[in-house]
Amino acid sequence: GIQVEQSPPDLILQEGANSTLRCNFSDSVNNLQWFHQNPWGQLINLFYIPSGTKQNGRLSATTVATERYSLLYISSSQTTDSGVYFCAVETQGGSEKLVFGKGTKLTVNP
Amino acid sequence: KAGVTQTPRYLIKTRGQQVTLSCSPISGHRSVSWYQQTPGQGLQFLFEYFSETQRNKGNFPGRFSGRQFSNSRSEMNVSTLELGDSALYLCASSYRALEGYEQYFGPGTRLTVT
Repeated sequence: GIQVEQSPPDLILQEGANSTLRCNFSDSVNNLQWFHQNPWGQLINLFYIPSGTKQNGRLSATTVATERYSLLYISSSQTTDSGVYFCAVETQGGSEKLVFGKGTKLTVNP
Repeated sequence: KAGVTQTPRYLIKTRGQQVTLSCSPISGHRSVSWYQQTPGQGLQFLFEYFSETQRNKGNFPGRFSGRQFSNSRSEMNVSTLELGDSALYLCASSYRALEGYEQYFGPGTRLTVT
């Protein structure tokens, strides 16, 4: 099956710093989503981004489907950005099943 | 629009018991998927339902089952609970976007098996 790899696994930043999280996937996909898992476990949608670039405030994401990777940029990080960021891909073939990476655990220190 | 809701939020069960978890999707979403999250295995797909039909099933034993009702609400059942079933169970509802489906997750049910 498709493999989804996220890097780095852990990231520690000082408040105000910028960061880039990467997601590589091993096969063509219909869709890619980025999520932030809050301390209570809920997955919060950040981006639905099968291709191209999107921005939402301090966050932006780029997916280059032909090269099978996506990047999540966080600028001017805040302590509330702490948590685990997941990349998930929807494989081709009619299934809505999402295959998740193992996540990047981000810690933003004040 | 209300988000995906899951009940109960927390549950403690004993080995050998069975459990039923419930999920109500976002209004208008007809597809519901279930995922299990554990520290060791991460987020894994359990099953997917659309219009009361199971369209896909993940690689889980038959003790895990689910169903979807005509109002799109879904339940999953785990019978003969094992310690390893302790996990966060997440439900997602989705709608057809331009490319693929966009999925929205509920807050999860945290199951502890003792």
